Amino acid sequence: DSGVTQTPKHLITATGQRVTLRCSPRSGDLSVYWYQQSLDQGLQFLIQYYNGEERAKGNILERFSAQQFPDLHSELNLSSLELGDSALYFCASSVGTGNYGYTFGSGTRLTVV
Amino acid sequence: QQQVKQSPQSLIVQKGGIPIINCAYENTAFDYFPWYQQFPGKGPALLIAIRPDVSEKKEGRFTISFNKSAKQFSLHIMDSQPGDSATYFCAASRNGANNLFFGTGTRLTVIP
Repeated sequence: DSGVTQTPKHLITATGQRVTLRCSPRSGDLSVYWYQQSLDQGLQFLIQYYNGEERAKGNILERFSAQQFPDLHSELNLSSLELGDSALYFCASSVGTGNYGYTFGSGTRLTVV
Repeated sequence: QQQVKQSPQSLIVQKGGIPIINCAYENTAFDYFPWYQQFPGKGPALLIAIRPDVSEKKEGRFTISFNKSAKQFSLHIMDSQPGDSATYFCAASRNGANNLFFGTGTRLTVIP
């Protein structure tokens, strides 16, 4: 167990729907990162939050959004889902704002049908 | 555009062999090069990392070789074991940056 908890583990939903993925970081970690892993693209950085504030943005679609709550857990919201959004979504956490010492969760597998 | 290019896509070796996975990058501002190991159903886990001021780093059976002038780095697994069968990702980042750029992964299979 890495200490980073992601729920749910699996999610199947229809096109056009909206889903929320949840991440609880490792105890003591203030940064949360979201990554998307697809078969042909590898791991792509989506967004980072540090202590409740957005710190960095990657190739995150406008249909996607995220937030980090006062208890430091984070949620990734995906809306108007398309077939191409099917992927593994990973959350990682670290103590500070740099990326050294990432710890990844086990991911949420999203299938859009 | 893939910032870090990784090869091969898959690799099969006999137990005891030395698989080598290669990565190349273009951005000379990168200064941190980690390797991650991922087992099925799990998230990537940091295996070993190197900075460009050294040409080689060893941790147990895992070695990173780094060639700054060629902008390439590679992972060698000595005396590979079936338990090493996993997907390996190289990555890179800039000092102070908040995100890692990952390669596309290499699926390693070690045959007993």
